[in-house]
Amino acid sequence: NAGVTQTPKFRVLKTGQSMTLLCAQDMNHEYMYWYRQDPGMGLRLIHYSVGEGTTAKGEVPDGYNVSRLKKQNFLLGLESAAPSQTSVYFCASSYWRELNNEQFFGPGTRLTVL
Amino acid sequence: QKEVEQDPGPLSVPEGAIVSLNCTYSNSAFQYFMWYRQYSRKGPELLMYTYSSGNKEDGRFTAQVDKSSKYISLFIRDSQPSDSATYLCAMSEVDSNYQLIWGAGTKLIIKP
Repeated sequence: NAGVTQTPKFRVLKTGQSMTLLCAQDMNHEYMYWYRQDPGMGLRLIHYSVGEGTTAKGEVPDGYNVSRLKKQNFLLGLESAAPSQTSVYFCASSYWRELNNEQFFGPGTRLTVL
Repeated sequence: QKEVEQDPGPLSVPEGAIVSLNCTYSNSAFQYFMWYRQYSRKGPELLMYTYSSGNKEDGRFTAQVDKSSKYISLFIRDSQPSDSATYLCAMSEVDSNYQLIWGAGTKLIIKP
């Protein structure tokens, strides 16, 4: 099993450009999440999904959109990138039956917005 | 004030030392408490979890929860250079356990 994979691994954008980050998981997990990680701030939840076709806002959703058309995929979109969106983005997934909600993370995408 | 507070470090200790990592929190509804380990340029991975209060031991690692003080700890015995990583605490309530609230992470350096 590949677990959680993220595409791309690195990206540099100019202010105002758009891009989509792709997350895929092969563990048949219901829940999927997008986080951003900035120095000294830990992980902050951007959006999450509790099942195919459903999405919800997290702590810092502004400037991002998401879609979950297939259970195994969760896409994060930046419509008009800003320097404040320079960060490391992590996708995660979890199985809803687990009481401890172990979240499995991808390797991350390092995004720089100039 | 953040819901979960964690000293970012770095914390540098010699190999073989006992390490103590801590988080404090303000939400008394938290029932699930987790420690994730994150190596440099990697995603976090679950290390230990505890439900409600008490201790849990797994090899060289011990997790403690003190709900009366809203304080959780992770102890690492006989620390190894391979333990060098960032340790993040995370917590959740019972009825929204798919949403984790994260600490900022403590960077731990074990010196050979």
